[in-house]
Amino acid sequence: EVQLVESGGGLVQPGGSLRLSCAASGFTFSDHFMDWVRQTPGKGLEWVGRSRNKARSYTTEYAASVKGRFIVSRDVSENSLYLQMDSLKTEDTAVYYCVRVAVDYHFDSWGQGTLVTVSS
Amino acid sequence: DIQMTQSPSSLSASVGDRVTITCRASQGIGSSFAWFQQRPGKAPKSLIYGASTLQSGVPSRFSGSGSGTDFTLTISSLQPEDFATYFCQQYNSYPVTFGGGTKVEI
Repeated sequence: EVQLVESGGGLVQPGGSLRLSCAASGFTFSDHFMDWVRQTPGKGLEWVGRSRNKARSYTTEYAASVKGRFIVSRDVSENSLYLQMDSLKTEDTAVYYCVRVAVDYHFDSWGQGTLVTVSS
Repeated sequence: DIQMTQSPSSLSASVGDRVTITCRASQGIGSSFAWFQQRPGKAPKSLIYGASTLQSGVPSRFSGSGSGTDFTLTISSLQPEDFATYFCQQYNSYPVTFGGGTKVEI
């Protein structure tokens, strides 16, 4: 069974940093693209970034709103995906989900989410 | 970016009703299109991908159709557990984008 468990959310001040983690199990982690998606009541669902699979050298893509501030990475030995978030803004407040991407690029499994609140 | 426009934003229905939700993409996306269901306090759940392929384990009362720019989600006979919010998504090009959601209420 595919399991994705996020952690690391919390309260952080504007300008601060936070690192989210996603522990993956039940599948071959290196075979899959992995994404981060966030959700706010006001803006709905927003794709944040991607780590491609081993075959694609774990290259990354980012939404324009986070490019240069967020970094997606993974530790294959730990079966973990990370989201390093720097220079946080109040508008980054959201629930962040870790998502597994299937071979045809559809999103087939989601974690339970972790809440990030950026506020002074 | 490709804009995804869902309608309606909310609807009221009864158990047993046939429900249809539509989504329009601002440009052609072929069949790189998906529907998700989200219950309150839970993560989104994949229902349909490739515009019309049911995710494993999803009841057959759910169906999807369309290609290019116009897509439809149909629930043939609404069940109590189907009262939720439904989102559409395109994954044809970066950035992946989502519709604003349709809340299905009793």
